[in-house]
Amino acid sequence: QQPVQSPQAVILREGEDAVINCSSSKALYSVHWYRQKHGEAPVFLMILLKGGEQKGHEKISASFNEKKQQSSLYLTASQLSYSGTYFCGTELDSLSTSGTYKYIFGTGTRLKVLA
Amino acid sequence: DGGITQSPKYLFRKEGQNVTLSCEQNLNHDAMYWYRQDPGQGLRLIYYSQIVNDFQKGDIAEGYSVSREKKESFPLTVTSAQKNPTAFYLCASSIVLSGNTIYFGEGSWLTVV
Repeated sequence: QQPVQSPQAVILREGEDAVINCSSSKALYSVHWYRQKHGEAPVFLMILLKGGEQKGHEKISASFNEKKQQSSLYLTASQLSYSGTYFCGTELDSLSTSGTYKYIFGTGTRLKVLA
Repeated sequence: DGGITQSPKYLFRKEGQNVTLSCEQNLNHDAMYWYRQDPGQGLRLIYYSQIVNDFQKGDIAEGYSVSREKKESFPLTVTSAQKNPTAFYLCASSIVLSGNTIYFGEGSWLTVV
């Protein structure tokens, strides 16, 4: 059930771009993206709800494919502050179906930006 | 300000001891969660609760217990049955409504010595 992220780790130079993917074998109700610094709480980046949706701004944006089984996070012209671990998260079993409601997260992608 | 408070931030436990991690939220959220994170690993769901006096096991509930006696509180007990408890523990909460985000506490580091 856990979404799979790729790559597991990536090293960039400042100014380079990166793409992080989040895939699921089943359609996701939504996808949430977070960034976490070591030993700190994850910080919310954005949420996508609709198939085909694209969101974000020039530097950090995300897309959700039409089938809602894959989302990608785009980091453009990376900065040192982008370093951290990125997680995608999703809601399982929307209340409208099974009556349960919980969040699970992907496997994580460690990103390191070098000066 | 509204938020989630976890305590303690750092905790050392001797083998064979039970320890309880506190999680309090003043966001008026119905749902609360506990996640475990190991170095370089993702977030794994331990327990979650959608309503007071009710909770469900997550993916790695063995060796842990929780209670939900009040809406704002969701303490996690790491029992002696948990064989490898050293990890970073995150508490979170959310509205029980699809499409809403989840909010995290600052986390608690547990080390077995």
